Amino acid sequence: DIQMTQSPSSLSASVGDRVTITCRASQGINYFLAWFQQKPGKAPKSLIYAASRLQSGVPSRFSGSGSGTDFTLTISSLQPEDFATYYCQQYHSYPRTFGQGTKVEIK
Amino acid sequence: EVQLVESGGGLVQPGGSLRLSCAASGFTFSNYAMSWIRQAPGKGLEWVSDISGSGSSTNYADSVKGRFTISRDNSKNTQYLQMNSLRAEDTAVYYCAKNENYYGSGNFDYWGQGTLVTVSS
Repeated sequence: DIQMTQSPSSLSASVGDRVTITCRASQGINYFLAWFQQKPGKAPKSLIYAASRLQSGVPSRFSGSGSGTDFTLTISSLQPEDFATYYCQQYHSYPRTFGQGTKVEIK
Repeated sequence: EVQLVESGGGLVQPGGSLRLSCAASGFTFSNYAMSWIRQAPGKGLEWVSDISGSGSSTNYADSVKGRFTISRDNSKNTQYLQMNSLRAEDTAVYYCAKNENYYGSGNFDYWGQGTLVTVSS
């Protein structure tokens, strides 16, 4: 199975900050990487797919980059509604696997 | 607007069975693969199973293989997850998710609100 490792596990940031979350795959997954946002008690929401493509309706302050084993989710200017947990997920091979999540909290 | 509505969750004893349903609307259901993903209380996300647009191809996580069966009825725009021999570790919110393509090789682009399954005596 491909292991997905996110860092950090949590972070504290202020509104307006630039935030970067990294995700590392245990083996190469090309660009088959997605990012999801989950707020407490809610379903995950697709943000980024194919490593860098923005899902329809997602604000442009979100961006993704990387290929192979190392990936990054960046929020260019953190907004109050962005405080949530973020997950990466590979869809290169079965079983589909997720990172453990990164909780973004208010400083 | 894409909508996915899960139902069928509840409390079941260990060793028992439950069938989850996911009713879809807002897109041509038979053109897309569908998946089930679960989240244990306070934990991360775990992919469970997926099924191709026609229903001819299925995949399962090792943790549920042989106990869970995914299926779909394209005439009813509904997918199902039959869960047998349930264990305490199957306790989770189960999410229905749409895949961005027919075969299931793409992103989970839309998710339902989830249904809670609790396995306990």
